[in-house]
Amino acid sequence: DIQMTQSPSTLSASVGDGVTITCRASQTVSGWLAWYQQKPGKAPKLLIYRASSLKSGVPSRFSGSGSGTEFTLTISSLQPDDFATYYCQQYNSYPFTFGGGTKVDIK
Amino acid sequence: EVQLVESGGGLVQPGGSLTLTCGASGFTVNSNYMNWVRQAPGKGLEWVSILHGGGDKFYADSVKGRFTISRDNSKNTMYLQMNSLRVEDTAVYYCARGGLDGMDVWGQGTTVTVSS
Repeated sequence: DIQMTQSPSTLSASVGDGVTITCRASQTVSGWLAWYQQKPGKAPKLLIYRASSLKSGVPSRFSGSGSGTEFTLTISSLQPDDFATYYCQQYNSYPFTFGGGTKVDIK
Repeated sequence: EVQLVESGGGLVQPGGSLTLTCGASGFTVNSNYMNWVRQAPGKGLEWVSILHGGGDKFYADSVKGRFTISRDNSKNTMYLQMNSLRVEDTAVYYCARGGLDGMDVWGQGTTVTVSS
């Protein structure tokens, strides 16, 4: 199985800060990587697919990059609505796997 | 409106069975990849199973041989039959549409509690 490792596990930041979350795969997933945002008690929401494609309707302050085994999610300027937990997920091969999550909270 | 609604969760004893239902509207399940994803209390997301539009099925190792994914095209509904349930299967179970463009539509989740 492909292991997905996210870092950091927790990130404290302020409104307006730029933040970057890293996701590393134990073997190549090519570009088959997605990023999700989840708020407490809610279902996850897709932000980025195919590593760098922004889902329609998602603010442009979110961006994804990377290929192979190393990926990043960047939020250019944190907004109050962005404080949440973020997960990466590979869908290159079965079983699909998620990273452990990165909680972005208010500094 | 594109929407998924799960139902069927509840409290079940270890070794018991439960069937979850995921009803779709605004699109057809048999033309899409459909997934089940779960989240144990206070934990991260865990992919459980996928049903391809063409009928292929895949499972996480943790549920293989115990869970079965299926669908009823006439009802535009997907199911997850769960047998031999274990305490560690306790989680919120989400259904989600998704294939090559990630899981783009999610239900609200249904809670399964396995406890004696």
